[in-house]
Amino acid sequence: EAGVAQSPRYKIIEKRQSVAFWCNPISGHATLYWYQQILGQGPKLLIQFQNNGVVDDSQLPKDRFSAERLKGVDSTLKIQPAKLEDSAVYLCASSLRLAESYEQYFGPGTRLTVT
Amino acid sequence: AQKVTQAQTEISVVEKEDVTLDCVYETRDTTYYLFWYKQPPSGELVFLIRRNSFDEQNEISGRYSWNFQKSTSSFNFTITASQVVDSAVYFCALLNAGGTSYGKLTFGQGTILTVHP
Repeated sequence: EAGVAQSPRYKIIEKRQSVAFWCNPISGHATLYWYQQILGQGPKLLIQFQNNGVVDDSQLPKDRFSAERLKGVDSTLKIQPAKLEDSAVYLCASSLRLAESYEQYFGPGTRLTVT
Repeated sequence: AQKVTQAQTEISVVEKEDVTLDCVYETRDTTYYLFWYKQPPSGELVFLIRRNSFDEQNEISGRYSWNFQKSTSSFNFTITASQVVDSAVYFCALLNAGGTSYGKLTFGQGTILTVHP
């Protein structure tokens, strides 16, 4: 079974530029999550989708971050414009359903450096 | 609000030593799940264990064991006879099964474990 795929793996941009990350969850997984992991910290949930609907985006900085999950499969996370403090690893995860007993499977992440 | 605290930022041991990683959590929910994840240098989070709040039995899996104590809100992780390949960042996490935080994983800040040969 293929795991969660993410691209690109690394991205370096200048502040005020825009960037987009892509995630392909495990086939059949209805729930998709985007996390931000700043160096030295644990991952923090940015947004959670159930199929193509948003379940929780309370910690997404909506003035600059946006995310979508068209057709309930792949998802993209966009930052526009980027700030220095957005430098982090962006992790995508998926789970079978939005149910507490289903563990989340994580992708390898995209390491973003904003200069 | 839920919170997970991993008091040890970094631990360094010599191979074959036993090591315990501490995790303390806070939640108002009576139904919740606790997790441990391993993050090797490659960056991918690897699931190690899940425990629900109604099951306080300790668990052993090979060299890994977990001690869940509801009375002290702790979910500690012990590696017996550590190996160099155990070097990684370990995260404890809490998932609430109800309320507005349903399905949301809250992570601790992680413990960097370095096992020296």
